[in-house]
Amino acid sequence: KQEVTQIPAALSVPEGENLVLNCSFTDSAIYNLQWFRQDPGKGLTSLLLIQSSQREQTSGRLNASLDKSSGRSTLYIAASQPGDSATYLCAVNSGNTPLVFGKGTRLSVIA
Amino acid sequence: GAVVSQHPSWVICKSGTSVKIECRSLDFQATTMFWYRQFPKQSLMLMATSNEGSKATYEQGVEKDKFLINHASLTLSTLTVTSAHPEDSSFYICSAPVPKGNYEQYFGPGTRLTVT
Repeated sequence: KQEVTQIPAALSVPEGENLVLNCSFTDSAIYNLQWFRQDPGKGLTSLLLIQSSQREQTSGRLNASLDKSSGRSTLYIAASQPGDSATYLCAVNSGNTPLVFGKGTRLSVIA
Repeated sequence: GAVVSQHPSWVICKSGTSVKIECRSLDFQATTMFWYRQFPKQSLMLMATSNEGSKATYEQGVEKDKFLINHASLTLSTLTVTSAHPEDSSFYICSAPVPKGNYEQYFGPGTRLTVT
């Protein structure tokens, strides 16, 4: 059974700092890995999707990498801003299957 | 990108009543939809897989007679919480994978259910 772990559970950084969020999964037979953002009381915003054949994806200040063989992914946020404060969720699937989510990293960026 | 809608966005109901939540894929056909539940400060947990034209598949521990799922068409799945109890209060969110391509899943905005 696939399990997804995210470290750290919470993170507080000063504005402008670069930061890394970590995600690991137990079964490397994945098709997609997705990173989401969730604001308090809100739904999910998809940030980046990495297919199993890819190593990384970039969108603006965000960069996600995938090492499928070791079961790891990282989300790099450059020059963090207070507006980046949210919970970041990592999730994987194996094709047309439901996503398995980690518990998330709660990020606070302090102005 | 693809759009998935949910209705209602929030609902308050009394204990013992039933509540129906709709999930629609607006610009693509979804033979499969997934229903998740999220309790406060917890992550999303899969409740069931909704399949158009066949019975839903429920995860272990989810009562199929309490959470009725009907995938009536290629663009609509409904979740009905029957005889709601306060412990059913949660955030319910659906998703649908785009059937062709990379199976990226698109999520609805979620429904916050409060049972009093």
